Amino acid sequence: NAGVTQTPKFRILKIGQSMTLQCTQDMNHNYMYWYRQDPGMGLKLIYYSVGAGITDKGEVPNGYNVSRSTTEDFPLRLELAAPSQTSVYFCASSFPSGRSSYEQYFGPGTRLTVT
Amino acid sequence: GENVEQHPSTLSVQEGDSAVIKCTYSDSASNYFPWYKQELGKRPQLIIDIRSNVGEKKDQRIAVTLNKTAKHFSLHITETQPEDSAVYFCAASKAAGAGTASKLTFGTGTRLQVTL
Repeated sequence: NAGVTQTPKFRILKIGQSMTLQCTQDMNHNYMYWYRQDPGMGLKLIYYSVGAGITDKGEVPNGYNVSRSTTEDFPLRLELAAPSQTSVYFCASSFPSGRSSYEQYFGPGTRLTVT
Repeated sequence: GENVEQHPSTLSVQEGDSAVIKCTYSDSASNYFPWYKQELGKRPQLIIDIRSNVGEKKDQRIAVTLNKTAKHFSLHITETQPEDSAVYFCAASKAAGAGTASKLTFGTGTRLQVTL
């Protein structure tokens, strides 16, 4: 298993540009999450999904959109990039809450800079 | 919503000493408390977790204690080694039932440095 993979690893965007951060997991996890981590801070939840076709907002959803058309993929879309979106973005996945493990498995992250 | 506070923000210990990191949470309905270790430039890795029906859990040199009444939980690392140097994050969530995601609220992290 590759686990959770993310592309790209690094990206520099100009203000107002758009991009999609890709996230794929091959563990057949139903639940997927997007977090952002600002320098020296903890992670904050942007959006999450409990299954294909179902998404919901987290703590900091403004400026982002998500979709979940398959169990494996959970892309994060930035429509009009702003400097405040400069951060490291982590995707994670987990089993449903009814399973014995609540552990979230994280991808390697995407470092995004908006200038 | 949930609020998690973590202290201290930095901690320096000598190799072989113990390290303790403390977190408090605000939502009494939270029932799952993981600890993550993050090395520089890497992804967070789960090192131990505890659920609200347990007061303490150990895994070799690492232990976590939970006080539901006071709404705080702590990470204890004994016999620290240089490879324990990293940033440690606590988190809390309400892992309810089927169909409910475990939405983690993270603390702000503790930078642990183990010196020789």
